[in-house]
Amino acid sequence: GQQLNQSPQSMFIQEGEDVSMNCTSSSIFNTWLWYKQDPGEGPVLLIALYKAGELTSNGRLTAQFGITRKDSFLNISASIPSDVGIYFCAGDSNYKLTFGKGTLLTVNP
Amino acid sequence: DAGVIQSPRHEVTEMGQEVTLRCKPISGHDYLFWYRQTMMRGLELLIYFNNNVPIDDSGMPEDRFSAKMPNASFSTLKIQPSEPRDSAVYFCASSLWGPQETQYFGPGTRLLVL
Repeated sequence: GQQLNQSPQSMFIQEGEDVSMNCTSSSIFNTWLWYKQDPGEGPVLLIALYKAGELTSNGRLTAQFGITRKDSFLNISASIPSDVGIYFCAGDSNYKLTFGKGTLLTVNP
Repeated sequence: DAGVIQSPRHEVTEMGQEVTLRCKPISGHDYLFWYRQTMMRGLELLIYFNNNVPIDDSGMPEDRFSAKMPNASFSTLKIQPSEPRDSAVYFCASSLWGPQETQYFGPGTRLLVL
């Protein structure tokens, strides 16, 4: 099946720092989505990207859909303690989502 | 709106027992998804429904797993018989018009099979 390679697996940063994480795949996806999961909860959608090359922002979050449709990145600017959690990328192909393994983000106050 | 509701939140059972997980999607959502999350394999789609009809069950691990959606407001995922390797967090999600748009996840059911 299709696989998404998400990196890094984990990050430890200081409050106020910027964060960047990315996803790559050998397959083309029609849609890229970024979700965040807090402990004990289900994932929550942060940003959805529907066109190759699309750059979308949501507050301090910015994500881009790669031109080749095989990759995407998520940036978080000026991190705050509540940014802590697991960030997942997900790609849609043939009306089915494939999720990356996630990036665990820890923010030290 | 109450969001996606799942029950139970936690389940501990012994190997060989039947386990039934329940989900109530957001009212008006036509799509319902069942996912399994483990440390090793991450978040995997098991099956999804459109208007109560199963569309893709290629992610269902084996015949021990079955899912039903008897009406628009209720779905079950059943494991019979359960095995220790089924231990995971099972999420239900729903969306308004398709898998590629916003999926709203429930809080999950944490299953432990001893």
